Amino acid sequence: GIQVEQSPPDLILQEGANSTLRCNFSDSVNNLQWFHQNPWGQLINLFYIPSGTKQNGRLSATTVATERYSLLYISSSQTTDSGVYFCAVGRNQGGKLIFGQGTELSVKP
Amino acid sequence: ETGVTQTPRHLVMGMTNKKSLKCEQHLGHNAMYWYKQSAKKPLELMFVYSLEERVENNSVPSRFSPECPNSSHLFLHLHTLQPEDSALYLCASSPTPTGNQPQHFGDGTRLSIL
Repeated sequence: GIQVEQSPPDLILQEGANSTLRCNFSDSVNNLQWFHQNPWGQLINLFYIPSGTKQNGRLSATTVATERYSLLYISSSQTTDSGVYFCAVGRNQGGKLIFGQGTELSVKP
Repeated sequence: ETGVTQTPRHLVMGMTNKKSLKCEQHLGHNAMYWYKQSAKKPLELMFVYSLEERVENNSVPSRFSPECPNSSHLFLHLHTLQPEDSALYLCASSPTPTGNQPQHFGDGTRLSIL
């Protein structure tokens, strides 16, 4: 099956700093989503981005499908950005999403 | 508000109890999913339903029994669970189960088995 690797596994930032999270996947996909899981366990949809670039406020994402990776950029980080960021990919296999191990982000005031 | 509502948010039960988790989606989607997330681990797919028919069962023990009475509702019936079943259970929906459309998640039910 498809392997999904995220890096770094942990990240500590000072408020206001920028960061880049990476997601590598081992095979072609037709679904790629970035999620933020907050400390209460809520999984928040950030981007649906099987290819290309999208921006939403301080967050942006780029997926280079031919090279099998995606990047999530967080600019001017805030303490509310803390939590775990998951990348998940899928193929045309019954809607199954395969999640990476996540990047745990902690933003300090 | 994601359009996917799960109840209850928290559940504590003994190993001999029977309980059910409920998921309702208001997005007009035709596919619904149950995922399990053990402590700080990635989500693992349990079941996929498309138009009320189960299309995937990801080798889940029979003590978990899903039910999809219509395309808007999904249940997970629990009986004689084990302590290792304590986890966050998340429901999701998508327009179709073809894998090329985004899934939308509920807030989850945090289950603790005593």
